[in-house]
Amino acid sequence: EVQLVESGGRLVRPGGSLRLSCAASGFTFDDYGMSWVRQAPGKGLEWVSGITWSGGSTGYTDSVKGRFTISRDNAKNSLYLQMNSLRAEDTALYHCARRGLGDYYFDSWGPGTLVTVSS
Amino acid sequence: DIQMTQSPSSLSASVGDRVSITCRASQSISSYLNWYQQKPGKAPKLLIYSTSSLQSGVPSRFSGSGSGTDFILTIGSLQSEDFATYYCQQSFITPYTFGQGTKLEIK
Repeated sequence: EVQLVESGGRLVRPGGSLRLSCAASGFTFDDYGMSWVRQAPGKGLEWVSGITWSGGSTGYTDSVKGRFTISRDNAKNSLYLQMNSLRAEDTALYHCARRGLGDYYFDSWGPGTLVTVSS
Repeated sequence: DIQMTQSPSSLSASVGDRVSITCRASQSISSYLNWYQQKPGKAPKLLIYSTSSLQSGVPSRFSGSGSGTDFILTIGSLQSEDFATYYCQQSFITPYTFGQGTKLEIK
């Protein structure tokens, strides 16, 4: 069974930093691209960042470019999101999601980890 | 960025009803359109990918159609477990944008 479990979310001050982690199990991690998708409280879904199976290519939504960095460690079956210069509008539940093999859809999701940016 | 607009934003229906949700893209996305279901407090679940391909394990009462800019998710006969929020998502080009969601409620 595919399992994705996020961790690292907490309350942080504006301008602060945070590193999210996603532990993957139940599938061959380095066969799949991965992404982070966030959901602000009571709002819809927003793709944040993605990374290819090898880590050789990454992408970001404009609002986080230059502030967030996605990475992965295939030996540890783990995905990461380094978040710097955090803003109030980054407050959200951050989901780790597995990209489908054929296209950029998300066929498995973790329950999410909550990031709250507030003074 | 490609804007995805769903209609309606909310919908009331009864068990056994056939319902449709529309998703419109701000530019052509070919068939790169996916649908998700989300229940309160849970992660989204992939229902349909590439416009009309049913994800493994998803009941056949769910179907998708469309191409270009206009897409439809149809639920053939609503079951109680189908009351949830539905999102479309384009996978044509980054950033991979979602619709605002359609909340399906029990009438």
